[in-house]
Amino acid sequence: EVQLVESGGGLVQPGGSLRLSCAASGFNFSKHWMTWVRQAPGKGLVWVSRIDGDGSRTTYADTVMGRFTISRDNAKNTLYLQMNSLSPEDTAVYYCARVPQYIVVVTAPFDSWGQGTLVTVSS
Amino acid sequence: SFVLAQPPSVSVAPGQTARITCGGNNIGNNWVHWYQQKPGQAPVLVVFDNSDRPSGFPERFSGSNFGNTATLTISRVEAGDEADYYCQVCDINGDVVFGGGTKLTVL
Repeated sequence: EVQLVESGGGLVQPGGSLRLSCAASGFNFSKHWMTWVRQAPGKGLVWVSRIDGDGSRTTYADTVMGRFTISRDNAKNTLYLQMNSLSPEDTAVYYCARVPQYIVVVTAPFDSWGQGTLVTVSS
Repeated sequence: SFVLAQPPSVSVAPGQTARITCGGNNIGNNWVHWYQQKPGQAPVLVVFDNSDRPSGFPERFSGSNFGNTATLTISRVEAGDEADYYCQVCDINGDVVFGGGTKLTVL
């Protein structure tokens, strides 16, 4: 069974940093692209970033480019999101999700999601 | 970037058919995916590649995508189908775009 468990969320002051983790199990982690999606309280889903299987290719939404860094440790089956220069607008539940193996991977859906971790940016 | 327009809410009586639309410029040229999110839970993929269902998911859920509108159709709606539904595509730049979400209310 595919399992994704996020951790690392919490309260952080504006301008601060936080690193989220997503522990994966139940599948061959290194074979899958992974992604982060966030959801502000009471709002819709917003894509944040994606990374390929070996960590060599990454893509970011414009709103986080230059502030967030996605990475992975395939030996630990763990996905990360380093978040710097946080602002109140970054307050959200952050979900990690798996991308199934597709010929054209950028068109793929997200077929398994973690339960999310809440990040609150406030003074 | 690509903009996907969903109605904020759709209401339907049990046993009836719910249709949730997702509008976008020539969205028919994109692969559309749909997610169901119940309160306090993570999203769940319900339809992918316009009209395919994940294994084990009810046949009551189906999708279509033509021209400027993709549609998620839920037949024989049940109380347990009440949730927020999101459409999603990947735009020409390779960025992922979600619709604003539609709250399905079962009357």
